[in-house]
Amino acid sequence: NAGVTQTPKFRILKIGQSMTLQCTQDMNHNYMYWYRQDPGMGLKLIYYSVGAGITDKGEVPNGYNVSRSTTEDFPLRLELAAPSQTSVYFCASTVRRDGEKLFFGSGTQLSVL
Amino acid sequence: AQTVTQSQPEMSVQEAETVTLSCTYDTSESDYYLFWYKQPPSRQMILVIRQEAYKQQNATENRFSVNFQKAAKSFSLKISDSQLGDAAMYFCAYRGIQGAQKLVFGQGTRLTINP
Repeated sequence: NAGVTQTPKFRILKIGQSMTLQCTQDMNHNYMYWYRQDPGMGLKLIYYSVGAGITDKGEVPNGYNVSRSTTEDFPLRLELAAPSQTSVYFCASTVRRDGEKLFFGSGTQLSVL
Repeated sequence: AQTVTQSQPEMSVQEAETVTLSCTYDTSESDYYLFWYKQPPSRQMILVIRQEAYKQQNATENRFSVNFQKAAKSFSLKISDSQLGDAAMYFCAYRGIQGAQKLVFGQGTRLTINP
């Protein structure tokens, strides 16, 4: 049981480049989330999904896109990378049950130069 | 929208002593859950303790306990007998029971343990 797997762990992008952060979970969780964590700060929600085919914006969605074609996968797309997107990105998943904890991936450290 | 505030960016404590990390939150919901997560330098997010809002009894997990004051919307974490391995960022988080049950985080408190 691998849990939540994120790839890559580290990436450096040039301004204007695009990339996709991959997130896969093998726990059959319906709920999945993308957070970003700026240095010394808490986690802010970018996008979330409550099931395959259903996605919605979180607190800081600008500059990102997501898709959820399967229960397992929830990729995050960065279009036209900007220095403001330099951050650590976390994917998380959970079940629809009151008070259930979120299972987090190990994070992706992204630098845009 | 719910908000979570941690007013202590940094805290330090002597090894074996007790430290309390503060957290306040704002919500209009009556039922919800509160969490404390620990983030060591490895970046891994580790659940420390969870509190259900409808329970008056404060949650306890070994050396970790909370002081939950629902009316004051306060949720502090007490770490007893601090150990070097407790050094980390600590995040307070709120999760409602409606809709997508998104987890809302505070800004975090960096805890240093002095030997």
